[in-house]
Amino acid sequence: GQQVMQIPQYQHVQEGEDFTTYCNSSTTLSNIQWYKQRPGGHPVFLIQLVKSGEVKKQKRLTFQFGEAKKNSSLHITATQTTDVGTYFCAGLSSNDYKLSFGAGTTVTVRA
Amino acid sequence: GAVVSQHPSRVICKSGTSVKIECRSLDFQATTMFWYRQFPKQSLMLMATSNEGSKATYEQGVEKDKFLINHASLTLSTLTVTSAHPEDSSFYICSATPGEGAHGYTFGSGTRLTVV
Repeated sequence: GQQVMQIPQYQHVQEGEDFTTYCNSSTTLSNIQWYKQRPGGHPVFLIQLVKSGEVKKQKRLTFQFGEAKKNSSLHITATQTTDVGTYFCAGLSSNDYKLSFGAGTTVTVRA
Repeated sequence: GAVVSQHPSRVICKSGTSVKIECRSLDFQATTMFWYRQFPKQSLMLMATSNEGSKATYEQGVEKDKFLINHASLTLSTLTVTSAHPEDSSFYICSATPGEGAHGYTFGSGTRLTVV
């Protein structure tokens, strides 16, 4: 079945620094979605990428979808304490509309 | 935007009892809802796909008789953990989407189940 790998599992960042989390699927995806889960909370939809090579930005967050539609990345610039949480990528299968979640990258920020 | 309501948010039950968790789409109809389980500091694992008016589709390794799913209407799906044991303690989350996932899924707030 479809597998989505995500690295790194943990990211400890100095406030103001940048970081990137990477996602890779074993199969070509219909689209890829990114979610953020705050500690004790539930996943909240951030964005979806559909087109090959697509790049989208949300303020300090930049999302990319690979040309082969099998990998994706999330880059956060000038990290703030509000960025704390776990970021999940999730690949959507074109066959059954099931989301396969990556392991998540848990971000902590030191002031 | 799409809202999914999940209840209860927390429940503590004794071993051997059953617990029912409800998932409601408040402002849209959901022919399909998804149930996930999340262990501490781990990812979301899809348990089953709940289909309105038909049987749920379970992922490999998920016991159908253990986790009963009912999707009786276009806005409500329930997950019943039967004869709960301590190893069933986990965070259970449902999700749904107005479309077919093309615009993101909305998650319920989750249910923290503790079996003692």
